[in-house]
Amino acid sequence: QQQVKQSPQSLIVQKGGISIINCAYENTAFDYFPWYQQFPGKGPALLIAIRPDVSEKKEGRFTISFNKSAKQFSLHIMDSQPGDSATYFCAASSRNTGNQFYFGTGTSLTVIP
Amino acid sequence: GAVVSQHPSRVICKSGTSVKIECRSLDFQATTMFWYRQFPKKSLMLMATSNEGSKATYEQGVEKDKFLINHASLTLSTLTVTSAHPEDSSFYICSARLGWGTDTQYFGPGTRLTVL
Repeated sequence: QQQVKQSPQSLIVQKGGISIINCAYENTAFDYFPWYQQFPGKGPALLIAIRPDVSEKKEGRFTISFNKSAKQFSLHIMDSQPGDSATYFCAASSRNTGNQFYFGTGTSLTVIP
Repeated sequence: GAVVSQHPSRVICKSGTSVKIECRSLDFQATTMFWYRQFPKKSLMLMATSNEGSKATYEQGVEKDKFLINHASLTLSTLTVTSAHPEDSSFYICSARLGWGTDTQYFGPGTRLTVL
C-alpha cells in the first residue's frame, strides 16, 4: 500500500517556467514532509521540508504548499533551470512510527533550454 | 550541513562472495541510520533501521541473515551483503538522523553493487 502518492511521474518544463509536483497522503499522523532531489547515481539531497502547522514554506526558488484538510502537499520550482533536471521525491514521516520515511514514487523533471 | 559518506561508491563482485558497505556520518553523531535499496528509476525502499548499540530492525521481506547490519558507533553503520547473487545487484543508500526525536534524514551518495 503506497502511503504517499506522487504525481506526475515525469515532467518537462521550459527554462524559466514553473515546475509543480504533487503528493497526497492518507495517514493523518504524518507530521513531517520533506522533498528530496536526486541526480543519477547520487544519493537524495534534502531540498526543503514542512510541518503541518504552516501552509507554505519558501526557500529560494523552491516552495512547498501544504493543504492539511486535503492531505496534499506540493513542490513548486520557480524559474526552473536545466540544472534542476533531476528526480524529485516527496516523503512523509511521523514521530509515532519512529520517523520512518514513506517516499513517493518520484518525479523525473526535465527542464529544456 | 550534515554530511554522510559511503564506501565504496561502486563494487563488483562474484556470485557467492560477501560485500561490506560502510556508512559514516562525518560531522555529527547519528543515533539512527537507515539503509535503503533503490532499483533503476524507482523510489527508495527501506530495508532496515539501525540504532547505535542495538540490533537493526528489518522491514518485512528483507532477509536479516543475508543483509547484516551493524551500528557499532554513533558515526558508523555497515551493511554486509552475504553470499551475494546477481539479484542483489542494486543501488544501496544509507541515511542518518541527527538525534532522537529529530525528523530530517541526510543521505549518503550511495553504493552501486553489481554481482556477476
